[in-house]
Amino acid sequence: EVQLVESGGGLVQPGRSLRLSCAASGFTFDDYAMHWVRQAPGMGLEWVSGISWNSDSIGYADSVKGRFTISRDNARNTLYLQMNSLRADDTALYYCAKGLGTAVAGPSDYWGQGTLVTVSS
Amino acid sequence: EIVMTQSPATLSVSPGERATLSCRASQTVSSTLAWYQQKPGQAPRLLIYGAYSRATGIPARFSGSGSGTEFTLTISSLQSEDFAVYYCQQYNNWPPGTFGQGTKVEIK
Repeated sequence: EVQLVESGGGLVQPGRSLRLSCAASGFTFDDYAMHWVRQAPGMGLEWVSGISWNSDSIGYADSVKGRFTISRDNARNTLYLQMNSLRADDTALYYCAKGLGTAVAGPSDYWGQGTLVTVSS
Repeated sequence: EIVMTQSPATLSVSPGERATLSCRASQTVSSTLAWYQQKPGQAPRLLIYGAYSRATGIPARFSGSGSGTEFTLTISSLQSEDFAVYYCQQYNNWPPGTFGQGTKVEIK
């Protein structure tokens, strides 16, 4: 059974940093692209970042480019999102999602339950 | 950047009726379009990818169609468990993997 478990969320002040983790199990992690998608309270889905199976291809939404860094550790079956210079509008539930295939430009077929990030002073 | 526009924002449908949801891209995305279902308090679930291919375990009452800039998700006979918010996502012009703003399907 595919499982994605996010962690690392919490309350953080504007301008500070946070690192999210996503522990994956139930599939061959290094065979698939991975993504982060967020959802602000009461709002729709916003794709944040994606990474190919071998980290060769990485992409970011314009809203986080230069502030967030996605990475993965295939030996540990773990996906990361380093979030710097956090702003109030980064407040959201952050989902880790498994790519449908190896191509990073693709949909996501499994999602975690999310970790909540709240940016507030 | 491609903008995905879904309509209507809210669709009121009676159980057993057909529901038709639309998604329009601001420029062509070929057939690289997915549909997701999200229920309150739950993560999204992939329904359709490649514009018309059903994901694993998705009932046949869900079907996708379209290509280029116009796409449709059809639920042939709404069941009680289908009342939810539905999102489209393009992945042709990547990054980003742009989502539409969602269509809420509610009980009439």
